[in-house]
Amino acid sequence: VQLVESGGGVVQPGRSLRLSCAASGFTFSTYVMHWVRQAPGKGLEWVAVIWYDGSNKYYADSVKGRFTISRDNSKNTLYLQTNSLRAEDTAMYYCAREKSIVGALDYWGQGTLVTVSS
Amino acid sequence: DIQMTQSPSTLSASVGDRVTITCRASQSISSWLAWYQQKPGKAPKLLIYKASSLESGVPSRFSGSGSGTEFTLTISSLQPDDFATYYCLHYNSYPWTFGQGTKVEIK
Repeated sequence: VQLVESGGGVVQPGRSLRLSCAASGFTFSTYVMHWVRQAPGKGLEWVAVIWYDGSNKYYADSVKGRFTISRDNSKNTLYLQTNSLRAEDTAMYYCAREKSIVGALDYWGQGTLVTVSS
Repeated sequence: DIQMTQSPSTLSASVGDRVTITCRASQSISSWLAWYQQKPGKAPKLLIYKASSLESGVPSRFSGSGSGTEFTLTISSLQPDDFATYYCLHYNSYPWTFGQGTKVEIK
């Protein structure tokens, strides 16, 4: 199992970034996928989830209306579109796979860093 | 939303010590709780899921217990590789929330 995030970088407040997570080593289309973030020196914050077929999506209140989670099962890729970025969105963003049946997040990527600064 | 209160925030211990970390949920989450270990610059690693089930490959010195609103992670004999930050995660309902973390330091 491998999850590789990309798309992070330095961006000005109010701008957008699209993060990607390329999955391999498992049948991507059968797993629920999540994004989790961690601000520098801070704890973990759950961000969003998308069901295996994209039929359901849920978000943390802190990103609702600004971030959109999506997936392309034909490309084994998870996305996070981040709009109207704020300084407080500065964080390492991790994608993670949800463990089948029993839940929790069993595999994580190495993360991609988003820095929101003018 | 369900809030997770984790304690202590920092713990100083020696190799061989028995260590206990607690998480309290603001309402019942049944057994939908996981524990993670995170080392600096690394992604979190799953240790325990469904409150007390040991993830494959995780040493048996790690154990979890509890249900409802009170949960504990116990390390029976602390090893040098265990100095890290530990987080609980509830996954009873959305939004999922993590505890604030417990940093286990060398005494």
